[in-house]
Amino acid sequence: GESVGLHLPTLSVQEGDNSIINCAYSNSASDYFIWYKQESGKGPQFIIDIRSNMDKRQGQRVTVLLNKTVKHLSLQIAATQPGDSAVYFCAENGAGANNLFFGTGTRLTVIP
Amino acid sequence: DVKVTQSSRYLVKRTGEKVFLECVQDMDHENMFWYRQDPGLGLRLIYFSYDVKMKEKGDIPEGYSVSREKKERFSLILESASTNQTSMYLCASSTDPGGETQYFGPGTRLLVL
Repeated sequence: GESVGLHLPTLSVQEGDNSIINCAYSNSASDYFIWYKQESGKGPQFIIDIRSNMDKRQGQRVTVLLNKTVKHLSLQIAATQPGDSAVYFCAENGAGANNLFFGTGTRLTVIP
Repeated sequence: DVKVTQSSRYLVKRTGEKVFLECVQDMDHENMFWYRQDPGLGLRLIYFSYDVKMKEKGDIPEGYSVSREKKERFSLILESASTNQTSMYLCASSTDPGGETQYFGPGTRLLVL
C-alpha cells in the first residue's frame, strides 16, 4: 500500500511567524499532491495542489514545495494567523489513479 | 463553490442496527468517495464510485456497502453496526477525468453503542 507520512505530528508557532509543515511520500510514480486543512469538527478543506512537473506553487499566503529527488513535500504558511490552527494533511494520488492516499496529519497550533 | 452535504453531523446507533449515511454533491461530479477517519490512522478509503450504479472497494470495505442510484448521491450502509465502526465518516467528490482534487463534506460522527 501507499505510505504518506509527516515528520512532526504537532507544530506550534507564534502568530505572525511562518509555518512549515512537512510530508514524505513513498510512491515515486505519484504525479499529483494536495494539501488539506481540517478544522475541528469540519471536513478537510482544499488548500493547494501541485503536479510532479512543478517544484513550487504559490497561493494566497501558502506555498507548496515538491522535492521529487527525496520524495518530500512541504507546505509553507506565511504570517501564520490564529485561524490557521488546524490539522493539515498531505495526500498523493499513488500511481495516477483518481484515488488519494492521505497522511495522518500535523496539528498546527498558533500561539497569539 | 462545490458543496458536499452529509445527512447527519452526529448519529448514535446500537450494535446490530442498519445504518444509512447519505452524501449529496451539487457540482455534477462523477467521482464520489467514502472515508472513515480515526485518530492516528488518518483517512482510510472505504468505497468509491466513478459513475452511477458503479462501485469499487477501497482499503477497508468490510462491514460496509454503498449505493449510487443517482449521480449526485452516494450512500454508505452499515449492514449491522458494530462498536468498532464508531468513527468520523467523510464523503468526498471529484470531477473526471484527472480530477484528483476531492471536495469533502462536513463529516458524520457516528457512535455505535
